[in-house]
Amino acid sequence: AQSVTQLGSHVSVSEGALVLLRCNYSSSVPPYLFWYVQYPNQGLQLLLKYTSAATLVKGINGFEAEFKKSETSFHLTKPSAHMRDAAEYFCAVSGSGGYQKVTFGTGTKLQVIP
Amino acid sequence: DTAVSQTPKYLVTQMGNDKSIKCEQNLGHDTMYWYKQDSKKFLKIMFSYNNKELIINETVPNRFSPKSPDKAHLNLHINSLELGDSAVYFCASSQVPGEETQYFGPGTRLLVL
Repeated sequence: AQSVTQLGSHVSVSEGALVLLRCNYSSSVPPYLFWYVQYPNQGLQLLLKYTSAATLVKGINGFEAEFKKSETSFHLTKPSAHMRDAAEYFCAVSGSGGYQKVTFGTGTKLQVIP
Repeated sequence: DTAVSQTPKYLVTQMGNDKSIKCEQNLGHDTMYWYKQDSKKFLKIMFSYNNKELIINETVPNRFSPKSPDKAHLNLHINSLELGDSAVYFCASSQVPGEETQYFGPGTRLLVL
């Protein structure tokens, strides 16, 4: 069984401030971890993913996330928020090997204040 | 070129009707998915097909019937629509199940009146 918990359904930051979106996971097998972004009225698109290589993963649009096994966390960060970052962000987990389904978190809506 | 496309984009219908949503991907992927996103943005997998074979079938009412005529297409037919079926339905595809990046379509917004 696997699950993800995203802490905070809404996060507000000022433009230029640090973005930190929290994700904790639970998995009985070594996990693959993902962050997806959903802009209004669009489908999800991948920001970054962890697949057991480097623990610090860099993604698109200046985002990065760090896999911390001891804390079962995969938090998403960006040093400086931009207005275009306003969107819904989803953390997701899947197991490795075989036909594994991806389980998504409940999402965090990021608001960027000018 | 659109990677994953869905039709229709919007669907408004009455309770009790039957409707279908179509999905096509031109990425050459072997795996396709249907997800349901409710009004609170919660995203839940419904079905997954790998090479036209059903591999994931979550607890979904049997009014929902997926069909994959070939690797590039995955359709969703819904019988006897209910108010609770109102949601956004996303199709997605990936090269292999689970560990690979999923590519999502733009969604079909279904409203049941």
